[in-house]
Amino acid sequence: DAKTTQPPSMDCAEGRAANLPCNHSTISGNEYVYWYRQIHSQGPQYIIHGLKNNETNEMASLIITEDRKSSTLILPHATLRDTAVYYCIAGGEYGNKLVFGAGTILRVKS
Amino acid sequence: DSGVTQTPKHLITATGQRVTLRCSPRSGDLSVYWYQQSLDQGLQFLIQYYNGEERAKGNILERFSAQQFPDLHSELNLSSLELGDSALYFCASSVGDRGRDVEAFFGQGTRLTVV
Repeated sequence: DAKTTQPPSMDCAEGRAANLPCNHSTISGNEYVYWYRQIHSQGPQYIIHGLKNNETNEMASLIITEDRKSSTLILPHATLRDTAVYYCIAGGEYGNKLVFGAGTILRVKS
Repeated sequence: DSGVTQTPKHLITATGQRVTLRCSPRSGDLSVYWYQQSLDQGLQFLIQYYNGEERAKGNILERFSAQQFPDLHSELNLSSLELGDSALYFCASSVGDRGRDVEAFFGQGTRLTVV
């Protein structure tokens, strides 16, 4: 599994875009980038994933650099309910363990 | 509601005992994952099954074992329990075991307290 590096914490003003970076410089060609979040002690929630192209869904956008060594999760209009730990995972190959790192604590403030 | 059901939600047991945690994956999902989350640690991957077969193994203790049954539900067995085994145990499921099919949906967890 490729190792990912995320900042330990970030703050964002309510209503503004939250941009969460992730470094995955050792990602292999077949590995996807997945983003999950965990609010308090709830089960982690899937947000989005991508391979090479940028992706967008109703929750967020995922921007992957051309060399695939890093990505950014964008929450376009953060709300207080988006306060959570956000995890970036690189994996998805056969037998991949879907390993969670320490993640980024995002605090959305009013 | 993720569609993944974990039972029981809470479990209190004594040291040395054995417990079984149960997970029912989303309808149609063939892959099941188990994770442990202690207070002072992040989500630790334990084990993954795909269509009844063990697919990947993490830092799962020898006192712990799991299996996935023909109906695709899974059980995590924890034996000779120690105080340090107190944690949230999450189960997740996904359609497949690779690529875009590894979009995992998590249950709400079983909180195990060992006293």
